[in-house]
Amino acid sequence: ILNVEQSPQSLHVQEGDSTNFTCSFPSSNFYALHWYRWETAKSPEALFVMTLNGDEKKKGRISATLNTKEGYSYLYIKGSQPEDSATYLCAFGQAGTALIFGKGTTLSVSS
Amino acid sequence: DGGITQSPKYLFRKEGQNVTLSCEQNLNHDAMYWYRQDPGQGLRLIYYSQIVNDFQKGDIAEGYSVSREKKESFPLTVTSAQKNPTAFYLCASSIQAALYGYTFGSGTRLTVV
Repeated sequence: ILNVEQSPQSLHVQEGDSTNFTCSFPSSNFYALHWYRWETAKSPEALFVMTLNGDEKKKGRISATLNTKEGYSYLYIKGSQPEDSATYLCAFGQAGTALIFGKGTTLSVSS
Repeated sequence: DGGITQSPKYLFRKEGQNVTLSCEQNLNHDAMYWYRQDPGQGLRLIYYSQIVNDFQKGDIAEGYSVSREKKESFPLTVTSAQKNPTAFYLCASSIQAALYGYTFGSGTRLTVV
């Protein structure tokens, strides 16, 4: 069974802090890496799809990088706000099959 | 509005009973998926279907069954053979999962009483 690892499992930051999380995935048979944000009582929401080694994506204060050769992706949040509190999931995509999810990183931002 | 609908939101089941969770989408997606989440665990794949009348087992299919008679619908039955059915169940659909990712439903929380 292929494994996707996310770290840390959870973290708590103050409003205005910048933070980052890691997603590790198999470096073979790579097709795409997905990041989702999952707020309590809502459906997971897509943040980024990354396909190329060296990809960098940005949406507002959130950005992500991808290294397919070593099998990791970083998600960065600059100047965290309370509304960033959520669980951030990464998912590994291979052709022709379902996504494989990590356990997620739960972020809590205090004002 | 296009989307994916799961019902009910909360479901209680007595031990020994089968129960069916509904998942319907109007996005015209070919593929649909069922995942289960337990506390401290990630999303674990139960079953998926990439086309009507076809489906594949995921990592934890034991004690579950599915059908895919229509493109729009992918119901999941939790049978009495599932030893630990209390969990949060999430349904998703996709045009092509690897490249486009998923659209998720809002989930069903199943509790065995």
